[in-house]
Amino acid sequence: SQLAEENPWALSVHEGESVTVNCSYKTSITALQWYRQKSGEGPAQLILIRSNEREKRNGRLRATLDTSSQSSSLSITATRCEDTAVYFCATDADTGGADRLTFGKGTQLIIQP
Amino acid sequence: GPKVLQIPSHQIIDMGQMVTLNCDPVSNHLYFYWYKQILGQQMEFLVNFYNGKVMEKSKLFKDQFSVERPDGSYFTLKIQPTALEDSAVYFCASSLVLGDQNTLYFGAGTRLSVL
Repeated sequence: SQLAEENPWALSVHEGESVTVNCSYKTSITALQWYRQKSGEGPAQLILIRSNEREKRNGRLRATLDTSSQSSSLSITATRCEDTAVYFCATDADTGGADRLTFGKGTQLIIQP
Repeated sequence: GPKVLQIPSHQIIDMGQMVTLNCDPVSNHLYFYWYKQILGQQMEFLVNFYNGKVMEKSKLFKDQFSVERPDGSYFTLKIQPTALEDSAVYFCASSLVLGDQNTLYFGAGTRLSVL
């Protein structure tokens, strides 16, 4: 079974709407990261949220972390077509850092005009 | 932002041949990584590398795999000999530091097809 898993598998909204992607994980962590991967590119980090943090913001992005339920969410407000990408959560599996990340399979997000 | 370049973007080789995947990391970064992603699966850690040495490797990093970064040039992943199950996209990443301040910068990947 996967150590990190996003849901839903795919999502489509119209430009301007808000959207939330969820992540569940199965190990204790020191931090969880959200990455975005656009077609033809490598993953790019969006937000790093530490285990002692409950919420982190980066512009239109907001990540939450609930270590008791081992879950996280990434919300995007006022979506744009360029937000179309695969969104991954990645955990450090309590190694003390991102030396060895565990990724989920990702959520494919499509923003329609 | 900082860029990691991977060369080539796609490589096709016959099973049993040797292949070298090249990565040009961010210039002042000290830590280097390879991840493997089989089509439809999640990206999985292979190895991390610092100061000329492998720090940690996963069970996916088979004996046929090796990494090096001679004299600050490309960080390379060599597979010799290749097997069909090595077909995947290989992502290189680099970072300035370790620990919970760590931000990894990934390249766009090299798609390896072993025939």
